[in-house]
Amino acid sequence: EAQVTQNPRYLITVTGKKLTVTCSQNMNHEYMSWYRQDPGLGLRQIYYSMNVEVTDKGDVPEGYKVSRKEKRNFPLILESPSPNQTSLYFCASNPGQGSTYEQYFGPGTRLTVT
Amino acid sequence: AQTVTQSQPEMSVQEAETVTLSCTYDTSESDYYLFWYKQPPSRQMILVIRQEAYKQQNATENRFSVNFQKAAKSFSLKISDSQLGDAAMYFCAYYGTNAGKSTFGDGTTLTVKP
Repeated sequence: EAQVTQNPRYLITVTGKKLTVTCSQNMNHEYMSWYRQDPGLGLRQIYYSMNVEVTDKGDVPEGYKVSRKEKRNFPLILESPSPNQTSLYFCASNPGQGSTYEQYFGPGTRLTVT
Repeated sequence: AQTVTQSQPEMSVQEAETVTLSCTYDTSESDYYLFWYKQPPSRQMILVIRQEAYKQQNATENRFSVNFQKAAKSFSLKISDSQLGDAAMYFCAYYGTNAGKSTFGDGTTLTVKP
């Protein structure tokens, strides 16, 4: 089944404790992105990647890191989480150049930082 | 930078009636895609419809259609014969094809009354 998977789905952590949210897609998509969703603010893009080893900042990159060492994986790293990073996070992928750019979303990761 | 504005935080419609959700955007790019995504209470993001900027013809998917006015930078979604299952948050999204950046509106919560 074609899908984007994220792990964990739910996470409660404390301020300053490094964490990684994994994202993997099995559709051989070129492009991948991370978003955060907060009440009343829609989805805001954190980082995106258009190819392996190529990443770019989205609208809200502060406090996050990403890497794209393999085409299928795009982990999101919070090196020192803070309470204002409590949010619902989505990973998404799309086929890239020459496609219709429809994004396929993962199920979301709900993160709480206390 | 691109912006997407959904001016209706909440809308309601009677079952079997028609409702239109508004979206305006701003961009200096000439090549882009526009999307409407649905987010039910499960939080999963579901593609409703997409529109290529270079196409003059408005996209249609069953009961869902758009009114794309490129000069006015307007992209509204019309839902015909509304069903209880249409109740969800709807997001308008812009995707620039020259880069992997995407921008979402803040969403419109649609309530369907039986």
